Amino acid sequence: NAGVTQTPKFQVLKTGQSMTLQCAQDMNHNSMYWYRQDPGMGLRLIYYSASEGTTDKGEVPNGYNVSRLNKREFSLRLESAAPSQTSVYFCASRRTGQVYGYTFGSGTRLTVV
Amino acid sequence: TQLLEQSPQFLSIQEGENLTVYCNSSSVFSSLQWYRQEPGEGPVLLVTVVTGGEVKKLKRLTFQFGDARKDSSLHITAAQPGDTGLYLCAGAAVQGAQKLVFGQGTRLTINP
Repeated sequence: NAGVTQTPKFQVLKTGQSMTLQCAQDMNHNSMYWYRQDPGMGLRLIYYSASEGTTDKGEVPNGYNVSRLNKREFSLRLESAAPSQTSVYFCASRRTGQVYGYTFGSGTRLTVV
Repeated sequence: TQLLEQSPQFLSIQEGENLTVYCNSSSVFSSLQWYRQEPGEGPVLLVTVVTGGEVKKLKRLTFQFGDARKDSSLHITAAQPGDTGLYLCAGAAVQGAQKLVFGQGTRLTINP
């Protein structure tokens, strides 16, 4: 099915470990996004990529890095995981134009112990 | 920083009742969207409103964008258990904005 695919769905890390969350979309969207969702805080933007070859910081970028590998793929890396990064992470993509909304993946539930 | 405040944060009502969820800001938005999120899934787009005063209907759901484009509401008529979920509003600050600002969400529970 067309859409946004995130892997893995669940992950447990120890403090200080690193990992990369993968995201791919097959809708030929220009823009891609990484959000984190915490209880009572809604969705907060970590990084986004308006087009292939560009990335920009969002609201909460500290502790994360991203790579827009090509138009389809946008990965999020945690270099040294901290318990404060325990969250649900969502990748999204969007077609250019204000009437178009985000298409979200199904999320990665990350626990850092 | 533009903020979107949703109210109420939690709402639990009986099947068949009507309800309204609000999304308010002190800032003007170029467009506003509503999403619904079910447990274990990502949010799914319900509607986009772009014109002040605009009203859109999606079956039993009615969405309105305020005249000044600073607020929006979602009204559900004769709520059903299938309407249960987290409802999120999201706004674009300017036309062509690459990123959206999200409200904190309204968790709606419809009891049979």
